[in-house]
Amino acid sequence: DGGITQSPKYLFRKEGQNVTLSCEQNLNHDAMYWYRQDPGQGLRLIYYSQIVNDFQKGDIAEGYSVSREKKESFPLTVTSAQKNPTAFYLCASSMHQGVESNQPQHFGDGTRLSIL
Amino acid sequence: AQSVAQPEDQVNVAEGNPLTVKCTYSVSGNPYLFWYVQYPNRGLQFLLKYITGDNLVKGSYGFEAEFNKSQTSFHLKKPSALVSDSALYFCAVRAPESGNTPLVFGKGTRLSVIA
Repeated sequence: DGGITQSPKYLFRKEGQNVTLSCEQNLNHDAMYWYRQDPGQGLRLIYYSQIVNDFQKGDIAEGYSVSREKKESFPLTVTSAQKNPTAFYLCASSMHQGVESNQPQHFGDGTRLSIL
Repeated sequence: AQSVAQPEDQVNVAEGNPLTVKCTYSVSGNPYLFWYVQYPNRGLQFLLKYITGDNLVKGSYGFEAEFNKSQTSFHLKKPSALVSDSALYFCAVRAPESGNTPLVFGKGTRLSVIA
């Protein structure tokens, strides 16, 4: 089945440690996105990528980094500079349709990150 | 800049009664509007979208939404609620001619359907 796979489902981070969240899609989508979800705050955009080897900062990019070396993959690294990383992280992708893109974003099942 | 407001954090409804989850938006031009549902510890699932045309859009699981341009609203509705509809619902918008820019989401509304 086509879809978006996020791993691991649960992740624990020690103080001063960087951790990487995986996101893989086999939908042949051009664009990929990372969101952070905290209770009562909805979804906040961290980074997004509209094409391979290119990405843009979202609203809360500080303390995070990404890469987009392959179309299928968009890993997110939570660095030690992110002082409050405990959250539910969601990866999404969407098909490219040029300027008038009315396609929905498709989401993975998330990774829950906690501090040890 | 586009934005979405979901004015209710929580909506409670009895099973079998009609439900409405409210959404208003702000965007220049004609918007693309979306509804998603999220169950606990899961990602968001796409329910329906409005692009153009008929103001009443039908989607998955018996949900529908009504686009009202004059009120800049896109309320989600269902004629008869089920306990299994209890979940977190998100409204989202994308401005036209914005390519694959990310959707802008509301903060979500928690729907609780009581048996």
